[in-house]
Amino acid sequence: QVQLVESGGGVVQPGRSLRLSCAASGFNFSIYGMHWVRQAPGKGLEWVAVISHAGNGIYYGDSVKGRFTISRDNSKSTLYLQMNSLTVEDTAVYYCAKKPPGTAAAGIDSWGQGTLVTVSS
Amino acid sequence: QTVVTQEPSLTVSPGGTVTLTCASSTGAVTSGNYPNWFQQKPGLAPRALIYNTNNKHSWTPARFSGSLFGGKAALTLSGVQPEDEAEYYCLLYYGGARVFGGGTKLTVL
Repeated sequence: QVQLVESGGGVVQPGRSLRLSCAASGFNFSIYGMHWVRQAPGKGLEWVAVISHAGNGIYYGDSVKGRFTISRDNSKSTLYLQMNSLTVEDTAVYYCAKKPPGTAAAGIDSWGQGTLVTVSS
Repeated sequence: QTVVTQEPSLTVSPGGTVTLTCASSTGAVTSGNYPNWFQQKPGLAPRALIYNTNNKHSWTPARFSGSLFGGKAALTLSGVQPEDEAEYYCLLYYGGARVFGGGTKLTVL
């Protein structure tokens, strides 16, 4: 059974940095691409970033490009999101999500429960 | 910046049929956008329903179906149940990056 557990959220001041983690279990983490998706309070889903299974294929959403970095450690079955130069607009629940296998790999098949990041002075 | 547009809200009666759509600012949605659909209920994480336009996950109820219609991706619910009341999001693929639609709030009334 796929399990994705995010951690690292909290309250941070504007301009500061934060690193989120997502611990994966119940599947072979090293062969699946992974996403980060966020949702501001009362708003819709926003796609943030994706990383290939080997870490050599990475794409970002326009609003985080140049500030956020997605990475992974397959030996620890863990996904990361390094967030720099945070602004109040980055306040959201951040979800870790798994790519499906094979031809369905453009999407998402499993989601974590999310971790809340609040950017506030 | 690519924008993906969904109906903000729709209302359907129990047992009825409703179609939600997903349009792209770049032009017609095609199979190459690999449309995905997700359901989200208040306070919960989203749940995947449809991938690659019209493929169901093993847990997706049979009453949900996906298609392409009129240059848009579409999600049709047939025989709507009260528990289908939720927010629905589409996700489109753009050669690496992805973009979510703004979501459709479906009310079953």
